[in-house]
Amino acid sequence: EDQVTQSPEALRLQEGESSSLNCSYTVSGLRGLFWYRQDPGKGPEFLFTLYSAGEEKEKERLKATLTKKESFLHITAPKPEDSATYLCAVPLEANQAGTALIFGKGTTLSVSS
Amino acid sequence: DARVTQTPRHKVTEMGQEVTMRCQPILGHNTVFWYRQTMMQGLELLAYFRNRAPLDDSGMPKDRFSAEMPDATLATLKIQPSEPRDSAVYFCASGLNRGIPTYEQYFGPGTRLTVT
Repeated sequence: EDQVTQSPEALRLQEGESSSLNCSYTVSGLRGLFWYRQDPGKGPEFLFTLYSAGEEKEKERLKATLTKKESFLHITAPKPEDSATYLCAVPLEANQAGTALIFGKGTTLSVSS
Repeated sequence: DARVTQTPRHKVTEMGQEVTMRCQPILGHNTVFWYRQTMMQGLELLAYFRNRAPLDDSGMPKDRFSAEMPDATLATLKIQPSEPRDSAVYFCASGLNRGIPTYEQYFGPGTRLTVT
């Protein structure tokens, strides 16, 4: 059965203190990996899609990287507004477009000033 | 600004009552998903549709849950009868299947259901 595991469950950082979130997955073949951000009381907001091992994508202070079995979300010099829960997900079906996702339970990031 | 909308945003009901949640996907999107989020289980897929046809509803308790798309602009999720264990946030998401690997799904704000 496909599994998506995120660590740590919670992470507290000081403003400017860089760190990384991990997402590991056990699926039959690399099918891509997706990062979402979720603020309290809101739906998940799409951040990145990564399809190939070695691929990297950046958005402001966030950079996502992908290997064959895990992905990292690097946060450089975070600010309090980066506080949120970060979710990763993999497609339910292999080689299918527009398919449903299996989500990890998320890492809740708190950045204090 | 295209968004997925969901109604109601909050629902409190008593055990045994019927609950109907509605979702309006982003105009032009052909795939609609229903997820449920709890602290214990996280986000779980309940059902999804492509071009209004149900593709997978294996995540739903079929004896009490039903999902439909009466038309391209409306998806519904019904629970009858509701139970306290159904208390959760229910999210609808939509996406556009263009025949290439693109999985961007856009989530609505959710319906927070409390069954007492």
